[in-house]
Amino acid sequence: GDSVTQMEGPVTLSEEAFLTINCTYTATGYPSLFWYVQYPGEGLQLLLKATKADDKGSNKGFEATYRKETTSFHLEKGSVQVSDSAVYFCALSAFPEGAQKLVFGQGTRLTINP
Amino acid sequence: NAGVTQTPKFRVLKTGQSMTLLCAQDMNHEYMYWYRQDPGMGLRLIHYSVGEGTTAKGEVPDGYNVSRLKKQNFLLGLESAAPSQTSVYFCASSYRSLGEQFFGPGTRLTVL
Repeated sequence: GDSVTQMEGPVTLSEEAFLTINCTYTATGYPSLFWYVQYPGEGLQLLLKATKADDKGSNKGFEATYRKETTSFHLEKGSVQVSDSAVYFCALSAFPEGAQKLVFGQGTRLTINP
Repeated sequence: NAGVTQTPKFRVLKTGQSMTLLCAQDMNHEYMYWYRQDPGMGLRLIHYSVGEGTTAKGEVPDGYNVSRLKKQNFLLGLESAAPSQTSVYFCASSYRSLGEQFFGPGTRLTVL
């Protein structure tokens, strides 16, 4: 079935460091891909998305490119801040018809130290 | 505009007790979802609804029931709680298929 695999955490970086969180997927068809972020004590928020191959999603300095050839959607940010500390989830939309069903990776906890 | 709200925020149950979690959204979304979040496992879909009066099973539906009597509300019921149902439960809604899902703040449930 459809699945998403993220790099295992936790990840700890210093402020202004470069961030990469790896995400690969397995899916039939052509899923949409998402990154969600969960700040402490809150629900998930959509960070960025890409709906077709070679699309780049971006938001708040984060970027991810939909790579069909490597089935990947890695999250990157050039200079992280303490406020970026959160849990990040990669997800795919499993079915293009009917209700959108998101399949999530296990999440990667990111901690940024000042 | 409150978005997606969930009640209660926290609950402790004893094995065998029943309870209902309420999710409400004020965005006129057609689709609503219930997920559970467990450490190291991401979010897993329990049940979902594509409109008022409709429900469908997700990935982990056993031990749960749902109802969507009104478009804005989606209820998740546990008839006989078990310790394996200790989790954080999230409700979400979306306007249409492939649209962004908006999440509530979650309900932390502990079953002793």
